[in-house]
Amino acid sequence: AQSVTQLDSQVPVFEEAPVELRCNYSSSVSVYLFWYVQYPNQGLQLLLKYLSGSTLVKGINGFEAEFNKSQTSFHLRKPSVHISDTAEYFCAVTLSGASGGSYIPTFGRGTSLIVHP
Amino acid sequence: DAMVIQNPRYQVTQFGKPVTLSCSQTLNHNVMYWYQQKSSQAPKLLFHYYDKDFNNEADTPDNFQSRRPNTSFCFLDIRSPGLGDAAMYLCATSRGYNPGDSYEQYFGPGTRLTVT
Repeated sequence: AQSVTQLDSQVPVFEEAPVELRCNYSSSVSVYLFWYVQYPNQGLQLLLKYLSGSTLVKGINGFEAEFNKSQTSFHLRKPSVHISDTAEYFCAVTLSGASGGSYIPTFGRGTSLIVHP
Repeated sequence: DAMVIQNPRYQVTQFGKPVTLSCSQTLNHNVMYWYQQKSSQAPKLLFHYYDKDFNNEADTPDNFQSRRPNTSFCFLDIRSPGLGDAAMYLCATSRGYNPGDSYEQYFGPGTRLTVT
């Protein structure tokens, strides 16, 4: 069974500073990788996804993530955060079709990004 | 806009009084999911439907049931809510397991359930 590790439960940062939210996964086979954002009292919204191809993926709201197969990581980054980026961020992994496929994602426990003025 | 809709957004029920939460989608997706999310935790999958095929997670309590009368609608029934069932309930959809699908999920805004 695959697992997803988000080591940081909370990441406080000042406005306009860069941020990195870490995500590592355990699967040794081909995977699809996702980052979702959840604002208070709302559902999850897809930020970006890696399916194949370029390892650097750009998403909405200025976020990007880099897939590193050797380190089984998919860290999320933003060069300059805003107050409005304060939210919960979830990393998720599914097995790709090449790995037999499973449309059920495994979620990390989430990282709370807190942006201070 | 195609979307996932959940009603109501906030639901208050009494201990032991049955409650039904609803979800509808205009995406025509094959798969619909129900998640339970408690404060500061990841969503926990309760069950999902692939078309009409129901898939229950092994640790989902019997107190939770689901119905999917057609492609667009899915319901979560909690037969006898306990205080521990107070949570946010999220409905999500995805296209399913087809070549080229990326399996990304589309979430509704959630229903926050309070049990008094």
